[in-house]
Amino acid sequence: DAGVIQSPRHEVTEMGQEVTLRCKPISGHDYLFWYRQTMMRGLELLIYFNNNVPIDDSGMPEDRFSAKMPNASFSTLKIQPSEPRDSAVYFCASRPGEYGYTFGSGTRLTVV
Amino acid sequence: AQSVTQPDIHITVSEGASLELRCNYSYGATPYLFWYVQSPGQGLQLLLKYFSGDTLVQGIKGFEAEFKRSQSSFNLRKPSVHWSDAAEYFCAVVLLWVNDYKLSFGAGTTVTVRA
Repeated sequence: DAGVIQSPRHEVTEMGQEVTLRCKPISGHDYLFWYRQTMMRGLELLIYFNNNVPIDDSGMPEDRFSAKMPNASFSTLKIQPSEPRDSAVYFCASRPGEYGYTFGSGTRLTVV
Repeated sequence: AQSVTQPDIHITVSEGASLELRCNYSYGATPYLFWYVQSPGQGLQLLLKYFSGDTLVQGIKGFEAEFKRSQSSFNLRKPSVHWSDAAEYFCAVVLLWVNDYKLSFGAGTTVTVRA
């Protein structure tokens, strides 16, 4: 089991550019979560999916953020256009039927 | 307000000493409870979880946690810390009774281990 795989591990981009973060959940896990971690706000949920369907996107900060899960093995989080305040570590997590949430190693995003 | 609280922002402990990290929750019912650890530059690793049953839960890396309903607490303990236990620790909850399946995290406690 390779765990939850996120790419890239690090991303540095200029303000205004589009950024796409990727996540491959553990096979068979029917829930997928995107979290953002910052010093100021801690760990906050952005959105989560159940069986590829978005269930709760109330944490998505604004329209610049979008997330998709086209199939059970892949999800993306897109920021367009990016801003310096989007700099954070973005985590993806997945969960099977029972409550064993598994987190990826995260993507550290820096917007300059 | 409904929340999960970790009262200690930072704890320093000597290697070999015991460690206790506090977690309190404020909800209308008992949530599912979790402790996660995050080493610098790493993701979050599950230490242990409590859903029901025995209120003393054993986890990985020699950690245990005790659920106390009367105190709305789920404190994490380790009898003897190792230098590798230096990390940030997060308490988290799931509010299953409202069909809310996301993990909600406390602010975290940073543990420093001195030689």
